[in-house]
Amino acid sequence: EDQVTQSPEALRLQEGESSSLNCSYTVSGLRGLFWYRQDPGKGPEFLFTLYSAGEEKEKERLKATLTKKESFLHITAPKPEDSATYLCAVHEDSNYQLIWGAGTKLIIKP
Amino acid sequence: DVKVTQSSRYLVKRTGEKVFLECVQDMDHENMFWYRQDPGLGLRLIYFSYDVKMKEKGDIPEGYSVSREKKERFSLILESASTNQTSMYLCASSNPGQGGRETQYFGPGTRLLVL
Repeated sequence: EDQVTQSPEALRLQEGESSSLNCSYTVSGLRGLFWYRQDPGKGPEFLFTLYSAGEEKEKERLKATLTKKESFLHITAPKPEDSATYLCAVHEDSNYQLIWGAGTKLIIKP
Repeated sequence: DVKVTQSSRYLVKRTGEKVFLECVQDMDHENMFWYRQDPGLGLRLIYFSYDVKMKEKGDIPEGYSVSREKKERFSLILESASTNQTSMYLCASSNPGQGGRETQYFGPGTRLLVL
């Protein structure tokens, strides 16, 4: 069965403490992997799309990487404003729908 | 910038009422989507549309219908609202990219409470 699993469910870090969020997936063929950021009570905000293993993308303190089985969202020296839920979704070759992970809630303490 | 707007941020309705949620996108996108998001269940696709007057069922279409009369507008209709339809409703739009690659852009969401 195709699925997307995000870990950990929640992550608490001190300001400046770097870490990584994981998104592992099992699909027959990957068309694209998406990362979104969602603030409480708001819609998801698009961050990155990755298409093939080895690809990397960066935006400010965030860097997304992709292998054949998983993606990591690395956050370097985070600030309190990086606190949010980070969602991962996969677009599979044979399916019109995105398969969504449950998200990782990131809390950055000052 | 892609802009997706939803008609209401918060909505309170009574059981049995007919409810309309409106979504408008300004980027001439072909595809539009309606999701609901509930704690612990993540995002679930209700319906999507890949063209005007076209619609496809998602994972949880029961109790909902949709309408797309114009390219930029996609409406979600709850024919007879029930308490189990209390949720956050999210609209998204996208354009088919090369090789089927596309990114969905979301609206701010409508938090619906059915009493």
